Amino acid sequence: EAQVTQNPRYLITVTGKKLTVTCSQNMNHEYMSWYRQDPGLGLRQIYYSMNVEVTDKGDVPEGYKVSRKEKRNFPLILESPSPNQTSLYFCASSSGTSGRVYEQYFGPGTRLTVT
Amino acid sequence: AQSVTQLDSQVPVFEEAPVELRCNYSSSVSVYLFWYVQYPNQGLQLLLKYLSGSTLVKGINGFEAEFNKSQTSFHLRKPSVHISDTAEYFCAVSGMIKAAGNKLTFGGGTRVLVKP
Repeated sequence: EAQVTQNPRYLITVTGKKLTVTCSQNMNHEYMSWYRQDPGLGLRQIYYSMNVEVTDKGDVPEGYKVSRKEKRNFPLILESPSPNQTSLYFCASSSGTSGRVYEQYFGPGTRLTVT
Repeated sequence: AQSVTQLDSQVPVFEEAPVELRCNYSSSVSVYLFWYVQYPNQGLQLLLKYLSGSTLVKGINGFEAEFNKSQTSFHLRKPSVHISDTAEYFCAVSGMIKAAGNKLTFGGGTRVLVKP
């Protein structure tokens, strides 16, 4: 089954304690992204990757890091989380191949609370 | 750059009544258009998309949307809603040129509450 998985699904942590949210896709997609969802703001892109070792900032990158060492994985790293990073996070993947269906596949979400 | 405005943050509607969710977008390039649904405590599910062709697009669960290029709108409709349609609905656009990882720009969402 084609899918994007994220772990953990729920996380409560304290300010300053480094954490990583993992994301993996099994569709051999070139493109992957992280979004955060906040009430009234919809989803906003944090970082994206066009392929292995190719990453770039999205609209709200401050306080986040990513890496893409393997095609299937795209972890999101919060080195020093702060309360304003409390949010619902989604990982997404899509094909970078010309002519392929132009659609993003989303993971189930990770609800993060930083106290 | 693109932006998306969903004109209603909340829409209460009675069961079996019709519903329309409004979406307007702004973009300097041609775009693809999407509607996603998020049921309570769940992830995002694609309802429908407009890539090209007929401006009336049919999606899952009886939803449809009409692309109006002159008005830069992509309103979502359903002729008769069910209790199970209670959810948050997001309109989104993506530039036709594959860039920024096929980035989607989302509207703020519309919460639909279906009342019995």
